Amino acid sequence: DAGVTQSPTHLIKTRGQHVTLRCSPISGHKSVSWYQQVLGQGPQFIFQYYEKEERGRGNFPDRFSARQFPNYSSELNVNALLLGDSALYLCASSLYGGQGRDTQYFGPGTRLTVL
Amino acid sequence: GENVEQHPSTLSVQEGDSAVIKCTYSDSASNYFPWYKQELGKRPQLIIDIRSNVGEKKDQRIAVTLNKTAKHFSLHITETQPEDSAVYFCAASKKEYGGSQGNLIFGKGTKLSVKP
Repeated sequence: DAGVTQSPTHLIKTRGQHVTLRCSPISGHKSVSWYQQVLGQGPQFIFQYYEKEERGRGNFPDRFSARQFPNYSSELNVNALLLGDSALYLCASSLYGGQGRDTQYFGPGTRLTVL
Repeated sequence: GENVEQHPSTLSVQEGDSAVIKCTYSDSASNYFPWYKQELGKRPQLIIDIRSNVGEKKDQRIAVTLNKTAKHFSLHITETQPEDSAVYFCAASKKEYGGSQGNLIFGKGTKLSVKP
């Protein structure tokens, strides 16, 4: 749980810009999921990756994209930022298929503000 | 798709009292139900989870119950303490056989305040 890291911690962008958020999973975890948490709401699923392949996609526009690297770290990219993209972006890692314990552990998040 | 409803949205209790938070889900194929605690400005932290082959699970002051027929599950916190004050989220997902957990669908959260 404490091993999931995200960068940057905070980010301020203007409308129309592009942003890249980064996540490193817990050592040994092979799956990374991205969530968007708007203030006062529960996290909303954006993407899940396992072994560099997309395993799931939530109801987000094509402006959102992601990828996973051979070391299992991941990037979330958002193009053409809108004011409504302002949120806490959470990364969660899980151990795929490990003894049935695929609990997701969250990172500290990246707080994105779009002005 | 799956939809998770969570009630109440806010809950205020006196220290030492019990707190109960309830969630319902729509997809009967969901089989994994975690609860997360999120303190202000911090990450969600797993506090307890339950799988569909179990009806109840306890961990010290925290317990979760699952009613698959009614498609609802509840979090019970006994002997509440001020440090239990936080936002609690329930979630549901389907674990595919031999596969990963799948994405979590979260409720909207319950803000629990424990007054000393």
